[in-house]
Amino acid sequence: EDQVTQSPEALRLQEGESSSLNCSYTVSGLRGLFWYRQDPGKGPEFLFTLYSAGEEKEKERLKATLTKKESFLHITAPKPEDSATYLCASASSGTYKYIFGTGTRLKVLA
Amino acid sequence: DAGITQSPRHKVTETGTPVTLRCHQTENHRYMYWYRQDPGHGLRLIHYSYGVKDTDKGEVSDGYSVSRSKTEDFLLTLESATSSQTSVYFCATGFGSTEAFFGQGTRLTVV
Repeated sequence: EDQVTQSPEALRLQEGESSSLNCSYTVSGLRGLFWYRQDPGKGPEFLFTLYSAGEEKEKERLKATLTKKESFLHITAPKPEDSATYLCASASSGTYKYIFGTGTRLKVLA
Repeated sequence: DAGITQSPRHKVTETGTPVTLRCHQTENHRYMYWYRQDPGHGLRLIHYSYGVKDTDKGEVSDGYSVSRSKTEDFLLTLESATSSQTSVYFCATGFGSTEAFFGQGTRLTVV
C-alpha cells in the first residue's frame, strides 16, 4: 500500500535559521512527488513536482530534493511569512490518485 | 487557484439530512478529486473522477457518493450526514500526470 510520512510534525525556527522538512514515501512506481504549502483556512498551494531521484527544484528560499525513498524541503534563512503547513504527496504509476502525508506545521519567529 | 470554485464555503446541517457540495472548474482538467481534511489525518481521498461519468472510490468513500455530468462540475453528496462527516472538504483538479490544484475548501459541520 502506498504511504507517505512527514516529519517533524511541527517545527519552530527563528528567522534566518535554516532547516529541512522530511517526506518519506513507499510507492510502487513513483510517478511524481509533490510539495504544497497550506495557510490556515485556505486550500493547499502547489510548490514543486519532482519526478526522479536526484532531481532538485528551487523557489526563493525553498529547495526540494528527491531520493529513491525520501524527499526533503530545505528552507534557507526563513522569514515569518514562510510560516505555514507544508504537505507532501505522491502519485504512483497506473493510478491518478494523490496520497498525502499529514504535513509539517512550520512556525518562523521574528 | 486554477479556476476552482467550491460551494458553499461553509455549511451547518443536521444529522440525517442529505448534503451536496459542488466543485466547479474552468480549466478543462480531466481529473477531479474530493478530499477531506481532519486534524491528525491530513488529506484523505474520498472519490475521484477521470472523465465525465467516470468515477472511482478513494480510501474513505463510505457514506459519500459523487457525480460528474459535465467536465467542469463534480458533486459530492452525503446521503445522510453524520457527525463523523464534520470536516473540511477540498476539491482538486488536474491533468492526472502532473500536479493537482486545490479549491479553497468547504467547512461542513454536522450537528
